[in-house]
Amino acid sequence: DQQVKQNSPSLSVQEGRISILNCDYTNSMFDYFLWYKKYPAEGPTFLISISSIKDKNEDGRFTVFLNKSAKHLSLHIVPSQPGDSAVYFCAASEGGETSGSRLTFGEGTQLTVNP
Amino acid sequence: KAGVTQTPRYLIKTRGQQVTLSCSPISGHRSVSWYQQTPGQGLQFLFEYFSETQRNKGNFPGRFSGRQFSNSRSEMNVSTLELGDSALYLCASSRPRVGANVLTFGAGSRLTVL
Repeated sequence: DQQVKQNSPSLSVQEGRISILNCDYTNSMFDYFLWYKKYPAEGPTFLISISSIKDKNEDGRFTVFLNKSAKHLSLHIVPSQPGDSAVYFCAASEGGETSGSRLTFGEGTQLTVNP
Repeated sequence: KAGVTQTPRYLIKTRGQQVTLSCSPISGHRSVSWYQQTPGQGLQFLFEYFSETQRNKGNFPGRFSGRQFSNSRSEMNVSTLELGDSALYLCASSRPRVGANVLTFGAGSRLTVL
């Protein structure tokens, strides 16, 4: 049972345009949501997170939107740059000090930004 | 400051063998968690150790085990290897806090089982 789903395995955008990566979840107990980026031969690196009490969090070119009623979140990258080409993972946690490291990940979306 | 270090980076084993993977967390991070990544799947949580105690465990068989030492370094062991155990094993460390912990991952250990 996939509790976090990223339905698009790949996304291709032009440099300078907006990239929108989507993620859906089913577990109502999830309290925190995170996005990680992964380059080949490297471990995932943290990008941005959002608490369930918010609907938007922004950090530079990256903005995450959360729609709790739809159990949907999205990551917007504006403007997209070729260096953003990577696999993006959506992850969720039930939060709390003892379960905060137990993240449930989606399958990932390969983003390609074309110059 | 040094990141999360995993060894070995690559290894090949045959079915039935066992394997031990090692992880050195970021200095000061007392929580170490392990994830398995297989093709077409996201990262799947194996277990988490904090202060030498297993605090959380994912849905993996008992062949998968781990431990943490007093210096926070961690090892995971897989016994009686199966072909399906071929995967990238990722270790992550963090400082526990309220809310989701921001995990810092190592580059992973890629295990191939023949």
